[in-house]
Amino acid sequence: GNSVTQMEGPVTLSEEAFLTINCTYTATGYPSLFWYVQYPGEGLQLLLKATKADDKGSNKGFEATYRKETTSFHLEKGSVQVSDSAVYFCALSGQGAQKLVFGQGTRLTINP
Amino acid sequence: GAVVSQHPSWVICKSGTSVKIECRSLDFQATTMFWYRQFPKQSLMLMATSNEGSKATYEQGVEKDKFLINHASLTLSTLTVTSAHPEDSSFYICSARDTGVETQYFGPGTRLLVL
Repeated sequence: GNSVTQMEGPVTLSEEAFLTINCTYTATGYPSLFWYVQYPGEGLQLLLKATKADDKGSNKGFEATYRKETTSFHLEKGSVQVSDSAVYFCALSGQGAQKLVFGQGTRLTINP
Repeated sequence: GAVVSQHPSWVICKSGTSVKIECRSLDFQATTMFWYRQFPKQSLMLMATSNEGSKATYEQGVEKDKFLINHASLTLSTLTVTSAHPEDSSFYICSARDTGVETQYFGPGTRLLVL
């Protein structure tokens, strides 16, 4: 079945550091890929998505590129801020399917 | 756009009572809504898929008689936790699928505490 594996956390960085959170997936066909962010005590917010190979999703300085050859969708940001502290979830939606399959989440803490 | 609301955001109840949680898509129609449960510091566990006008599809291991789901309109789904017990205490999150853009949008979550 479909699955998502995320880089284990927690991740702690200093402000303005470069961020990478790795995400790889297993799926048949051509899934859509997503990154969601969850701030403390809140639900999930869609951060970015990509629906086909080589697509790049971007939002709020975050980027992720759909790499079919490496089955990856790594999240990157060039200069993180304290306000980026949250839990980040990588997810996929299988081709023609409705369900989202989530990774385990990566807790990110940015120190000033 | 694409806002999903949940009500209530917090609920505390006594063991044995039932609790209803509402999930609404505010600015789009959602033929499909999903209910998730999240334990502290863990990922989301899909409980059930709710389709407007039909019975919900429950994931393996989720008791359908305990977690009643109703999706009576294109903008509202409800989850009722019947005869709640302390082990039902959790963070419940709904999402609504905007078929126009094939994306799920999540509500802010409902924290349930059963005493």
